[in-house]
Amino acid sequence: AQKITQTQPGMFVQEKEAVTLDCTYDTSDQSYGLFWYKQPSSGEMIFLIYQGSYDEQNATEGRYSLNFQKARKSANLVISASQLGDSAMYFCAMREGEGYSTLTFGKGTMLLVSP
Amino acid sequence: NAGVTQTPKFQVLKTGQSMTLQCAQDMNHNSMYWYRQDPGMGLRLIYYSASEGTTDKGEVPNGYNVSRLNKREFSLRLESAAPSQTSVYFCASSIGEYSNQPQHFGDGTRLSIL
Repeated sequence: AQKITQTQPGMFVQEKEAVTLDCTYDTSDQSYGLFWYKQPSSGEMIFLIYQGSYDEQNATEGRYSLNFQKARKSANLVISASQLGDSAMYFCAMREGEGYSTLTFGKGTMLLVSP
Repeated sequence: NAGVTQTPKFQVLKTGQSMTLQCAQDMNHNSMYWYRQDPGMGLRLIYYSASEGTTDKGEVPNGYNVSRLNKREFSLRLESAAPSQTSVYFCASSIGEYSNQPQHFGDGTRLSIL
């Protein structure tokens, strides 16, 4: 089974609207972390936001927020007031367990923001 | 603010040739990683180095070797390149032991093998 599932290969949104990018995860660990990265067409990977499994509140970073539903094992990224520059590939990733561990990435969602 | 620097940015090889991808970070991070990115596959971990002096296999290590030269540098070597290794390669680094710290990525190396 995939550890990280991003079911939306592509999403379209109009400028200034909000959009939600889905991410579900699979782990048996109680301690884990979820990360979202943005990859614009230029190719670099940009860290956006982090949510820890023990965090009681949903993470927020500017226009990015994370809708974390632990029982459903979902960590959806919400982008408010979309901008043309938000057009990019978005990856969800998970780190499992305490201490050191590696990241597992989902296959990504391509977001296109139209004027 | 260099962060993670990868060289080269682009490379074309013939099948059977060898090459080394270089990666250096200036953030005093303990851990470093090599990923490959293929269309529709996301990022897959090739090898990683949790700390200086250690290296471990990731999800797709076959056909690759790595060297953690020192705390700053982590290289990836293709001994005998194959067309299936055509990909975009990313190096990343992180503090390591704190699970809430993100990995920081280089700009990638686009490698084509003919």
